Amino acid sequence: AQSVTQLGSHVSVSEGALVLLRCNYSSSVPPYLFWYVQYPNQGLQLLLKYTSAATLVKGINGFEAEFKKSETSFHLTKPSAHMSDAAEYFCAVSYAGGTSYGKLTFGQGTILTVHP
Amino acid sequence: NAGVMQNPRHLVRRRGQEARLRCSPMKGHSHVYWYRQLPEEGLKFMVYLQKENIIDESGMPKERFSAEFPKEGPSILRIQQVVRGDSAAYFCASSVGMENEQYFGPGTRLTVT
Repeated sequence: AQSVTQLGSHVSVSEGALVLLRCNYSSSVPPYLFWYVQYPNQGLQLLLKYTSAATLVKGINGFEAEFKKSETSFHLTKPSAHMSDAAEYFCAVSYAGGTSYGKLTFGQGTILTVHP
Repeated sequence: NAGVMQNPRHLVRRRGQEARLRCSPMKGHSHVYWYRQLPEEGLKFMVYLQKENIIDESGMPKERFSAEFPKEGPSILRIQQVVRGDSAAYFCASSVGMENEQYFGPGTRLTVT
């Protein structure tokens, strides 16, 4: 069974500082990995996805994530935080196989706070 | 290109009533997924549909919940005889195919009083 663990339910950074949101996954077959962002009372917006191509994935709004198979990780980073990055971030996994094909399994989410 | 549309955005129902949540996928998308976001529980998969077919309903409660995606019209998530525990945000997502990214709608926030 696939699962996702996001380390840290809350992360606080200063504006201009590095953003690092951690995600570890468990999957018995090669996964597809995603990061989504959710602003209050809105739906989820796709930031980036990994689907077995390049291990370093660049997304929107300056975010990127690196797939590390040996560590089963897919951490999200941004070199310089902006106030508008304050939101909740979700890591998700799916994989091509069996009845779970296409179904997203989400982590618990990480709320990012950005201080001026 | 309009995104995934959900209506209503907010729905209030009394215990025992029925709730109907609608989802119109993005143009060209024939795969629809429903997820539920409960406080303190995160986002959970409910059901995956293609036109006129339920592909995976492993996340649906066994009773009171049903979903459809007819040949014409939006996908419908129906909750019969709602209880307070059904209060949550329900999100619909659509994709071009099973291995493609899913695009989410704004959600329907159901409150059961």
